[in-house]
Amino acid sequence: ETGVTQSPTHLIKTRGQQVTLRCSSQSGHNTVSWYQQALGQGPQFIFQYYREEENGRGNFPPRFSGLQFPNYSSELNVNALELDDSALYLCASSPAGGSYNEQFFGPGTRLTVL
Amino acid sequence: GNSVTQMEGPVTLSEEAFLTINCTYTATGYPSLFWYVQYPGEGLQLLLKATKADDKGSNKGFEATYRKETTSFHLEKGSVQVSDSAVYFCALRVFGNEKLTFGTGTRLTIIP
Repeated sequence: ETGVTQSPTHLIKTRGQQVTLRCSSQSGHNTVSWYQQALGQGPQFIFQYYREEENGRGNFPPRFSGLQFPNYSSELNVNALELDDSALYLCASSPAGGSYNEQFFGPGTRLTVL
Repeated sequence: GNSVTQMEGPVTLSEEAFLTINCTYTATGYPSLFWYVQYPGEGLQLLLKATKADDKGSNKGFEATYRKETTSFHLEKGSVQVSDSAVYFCALRVFGNEKLTFGTGTRLTIIP
């Protein structure tokens, strides 16, 4: 069984650019959540997708957007990058239904904005 | 709102020492509580969880008990190993909401 995978591993962008991060969920999981982890901080919830629809959003501006595809993989898009967007972006998938299902995390994408 | 407060690190212990990492929480509703571990260069792994008051989560020698009266979920291990060196995150999730709320993490280093 393949776990959650993310690509790319590392990324360097400049301020004002746009970036797309990708996540493949674990087999059988239809829910994907994205988190931002700034250096030395805990992960902060960005949003969640369930069956291709946004299903909850944290305190992030609209320039953070996402997609979920029919195979339940997901993308996180960030427009007009700012220096403070530099962070580790984590994707987590969970199986269908139930609020007690474990979220399985990928290794993350390290984004650096210069 | 929901929040998690963790003991600040870093924490450095000798091998076989006793470990406690404190965690307290504030939640609207009735949360489930979690400890996640992050090894260098890796994503988060669930270490243990508890879903109701007085439940004890345990895994790999680590334990934490859900204390509703003190709103705490302290992580303990009786004898730590070098391989336990990692960053530990306490987190909560309120029923009906898949969002995890994390603490800031505690970096643990075990020296031989």
